[in-house]
Amino acid sequence: AQKITQTQPGMFVQEKEAVTLDCTYDTSDPSYGLFWYKQPSSGEMIFLIYQGSYDQQNATEGRYSLNFQKARKSANLVISASQLGDSAMYFCAMREGQFGSARQLTFGSGTQLTVLP
Amino acid sequence: SQTIHQWPATLVQPVGSPLSLECTVEGTSNPNLYWYRQAAGRGLQLLFYSIGIDQISSEVPQNLSASRPQDRQFILSSKKLLLSDSGFYLCAWSVQGARESPLHFGNGTRLTVT
Repeated sequence: AQKITQTQPGMFVQEKEAVTLDCTYDTSDPSYGLFWYKQPSSGEMIFLIYQGSYDQQNATEGRYSLNFQKARKSANLVISASQLGDSAMYFCAMREGQFGSARQLTFGSGTQLTVLP
Repeated sequence: SQTIHQWPATLVQPVGSPLSLECTVEGTSNPNLYWYRQAAGRGLQLLFYSIGIDQISSEVPQNLSASRPQDRQFILSSKKLLLSDSGFYLCAWSVQGARESPLHFGNGTRLTVT
């Protein structure tokens, strides 16, 4: 079974509007972390935001916020006031396991976001 | 501050030739190190990760191998490349023992096997 599911292969948003990129995850581990990355056409992976499974509040970083719904196992990324430079591929990822364990990130298949002028 | 260097940026190699991609991290010690591969338009697939010198785990059986001869150096190798080895290879590091530590990626190597 897929551990991370991103159901939107592509999304379009008008400049200055908000957009939500969906991410659902599957784990039986009570301790996990969720990450979002941005990958522009140049290829580098840019870390955007992190949410821990025990965090009480939704994470925010500037124009990025994470809509974390633990019971539904969803961790959607919200980008407010979209800019042309936000056009990129966005990946959701998860790390399972307790503090101190060496764990890799499992990535979803990504969502290609295009911001329209 | 920490930086990660990965080279070369692009590589075109014939089938059957060897491969060596190198990655080094500066400004941190004892990092976790990772090699991921990304096929065109797809997500990232973990190939190898390492928690220390000569401690490497392979996630996917394949034509590739990895080595960590020094604490902050991670090398991806192949003795004989296959066409299916083409892709975008990304090296990354994270802080040991911190669940919230993100992976910090290098700029990647675009490998084309002809």
